[in-house]
Amino acid sequence: NAGVTQTPKFRVLKTGQSMTLLCAQDMNHEYMYWYRQDPGMGLRLIHYSVGEGTTAKGEVPDGYNVSRLKKQNFLLGLESAAPSQTSVYFCASSFTGTGRNEQYFGPGTRLTVT
Amino acid sequence: AQTVTQSQPEMSVQEAETVTLSCTYDTSESDYYLFWYKQPPSRQMILVIRQEAYKQQNATENRFSVNFQKAAKSFSLKISDSQLGDAAMYFCAYRSSALYGGSQGNLIFGKGTKLSVKP
Repeated sequence: NAGVTQTPKFRVLKTGQSMTLLCAQDMNHEYMYWYRQDPGMGLRLIHYSVGEGTTAKGEVPDGYNVSRLKKQNFLLGLESAAPSQTSVYFCASSFTGTGRNEQYFGPGTRLTVT
Repeated sequence: AQTVTQSQPEMSVQEAETVTLSCTYDTSESDYYLFWYKQPPSRQMILVIRQEAYKQQNATENRFSVNFQKAAKSFSLKISDSQLGDAAMYFCAYRSSALYGGSQGNLIFGKGTKLSVKP
């Protein structure tokens, strides 16, 4: 059982380049989340999805777009990368949005924008 | 909006000793869940323990236990018989029990406490 996987694990971008981070889960979860983690900070919510075909903004959505065309996948896109987007990105999923259900995390993607 | 505060950026403990990590939170909700996550150098987020706000009994998981004080909005983590493998960042997190307006089940994290374990 793979759980939550993220591709790639590491990436270096130049300012202005674009890229897509892929998150995949095999647990048939409805809810999926993208967080970013910066030094000295906890994880902060970028975007989330409550089901296939739906997305919504979180706490820090600027500069990112997301898509959830398939239930098992949640994509995070950076159209024009900026140094401020240097961070570690985590994807998570849960069966529902209530606290009763555990949120499972992927291994993270370390992104550096130069 | 809910907030989570961890006032100890770093803590240190001797192997086999006990250490307590502090966490306070702010919310107007009456029903919610609190979590402690461990993040070792591998970056993987590992759930350590969970507490349901409507349960007065403190949660325990082997060497890990919490002191949940709902009125004081405090949620500390106690690690007993500390081991070298306990060295990591520890994050306290909050999650609403239900889907309140504007809350879609995301976790709200504190800034973390880095725990070092001395042999």
